[in-house]
Amino acid sequence: AQSVSQHNHHVILSEAASLELGCNYSYGGTVNLFWYVQYPGQHLQLLLKYFSGDPLVKGIKGFEAEFIKSKFSFNLRKPSVQWSDTAEYFCAVKLPGNNRLAFGKGNQVVVIP
Amino acid sequence: DAGVIQSPRHEVTEMGQEVTLRCKPISGHNSLFWYRQTMMRGLELLIYFNNNVPIDDSGMPEDRFSAKMPNASFSTLKIQPSEPRDSAVYFCASRPREQEYNEQFFGPGTRLTVL
Repeated sequence: AQSVSQHNHHVILSEAASLELGCNYSYGGTVNLFWYVQYPGQHLQLLLKYFSGDPLVKGIKGFEAEFIKSKFSFNLRKPSVQWSDTAEYFCAVKLPGNNRLAFGKGNQVVVIP
Repeated sequence: DAGVIQSPRHEVTEMGQEVTLRCKPISGHNSLFWYRQTMMRGLELLIYFNNNVPIDDSGMPEDRFSAKMPNASFSTLKIQPSEPRDSAVYFCASRPREQEYNEQFFGPGTRLTVL
């Protein structure tokens, strides 16, 4: 079945550590890719998105993601996390011509001060 | 812009009662989505509308769930009768007029607890 996979559901790290969250999808062809963040008690907000061009995408709050087509991956990175990055992170895939977003199960990230 | 507005923010009800969740999309957006979020199943798309018309309701769990969008600025998700397993956070999202790369904008969600 077509799906979006996020591994390591729970991630705990210290401030200033580097963060990388994996996202793999199983859809063939052209896709649009998104990372959303959900801070505690809040709604989902867009971090960044990729639809074409440079496969390295810069987002808000120092996040970036790299699209590797051959690996069907769109991993999220931040070189140095802060306590305020504690949140749940969702990868999502949209197929062209289709309004639906397919979400991964999310990564719960806790940053210890 | 006020963003996507949902009400109520919290709802606690007893099993068997009818629950109605409300959503006001961002003005000018023509697609509206209802999601359910639980620990076990993550984010699930229940139904979405394009220009007030339901396009895909394959995610609606069962006949107890129904959704309407009587006009471009209002949608409801109704559960009747509600059951404890319906407890979840329900998000509404909207998207601008159909442009391929635009993201969805999420509301604050309604936290539903069915006792």
